[in-house]
Amino acid sequence: GIQVEQSPPDLILQEGANSTLRCNFSDSVNNLQWFHQNPWGQLINLFYIPSGTKQNGRLSATTVATERYSLLYISSSQTTDSGVYFCAVKTGANNLFFGTGTRLTVIP
Amino acid sequence: KAGVTQTPRYLIKTRGQQVTLSCSPISGHRSVSWYQQTPGQGLQFLFEYFSETQRNKGNFPGRFSGRQFSNSRSEMNVSTLELGDSALYLCASSLGTSGGANEQYFGPGTRLTVT
Repeated sequence: GIQVEQSPPDLILQEGANSTLRCNFSDSVNNLQWFHQNPWGQLINLFYIPSGTKQNGRLSATTVATERYSLLYISSSQTTDSGVYFCAVKTGANNLFFGTGTRLTVIP
Repeated sequence: KAGVTQTPRYLIKTRGQQVTLSCSPISGHRSVSWYQQTPGQGLQFLFEYFSETQRNKGNFPGRFSGRQFSNSRSEMNVSTLELGDSALYLCASSLGTSGGANEQYFGPGTRLTVT
């Protein structure tokens, strides 16, 4: 099946810093989503972005489908941004393949 | 619009028992998918139901099964529980239309502990 790799696996930031999370995938996709998993385990939708660029407040994402990668940008990070960020992709069937996640810790 | 709901939120079972988890999708969504999350294997797809039919299945043993009702609510069942089945089980809801966007929305999960 398709391989999804996320980097870095762990990231520690000072509050107010910016960060870039990367997601590489091994095959063509027709859906790509970014999620934030909160401490209670729920996956919160951040972006649905199979291609192009989107922004939502301090977060933005870019997917370059032809080069098989996506980037999630977090600006002016806050302690509430801490958690695990997952990239997930979909090919033909309606199921998501998840990366292993990036664990972000924001220190006050 | 109400989100995806899952019940129960927490469950403790003994090896050999069986368990049933429930998921109610977002109103109007016809596809329900189930995922298992463990520290060792990460997030893995179990199966997808659409219009009461299993449309897609991941690589899990037959002890894992599911069904979907006419109102799109879904249940998954795990029989003969093993210690390795301890996990967070997540349900996702989407429109499920062929070739459509099908953005998936997740419920809060059921945390199953097998002792």
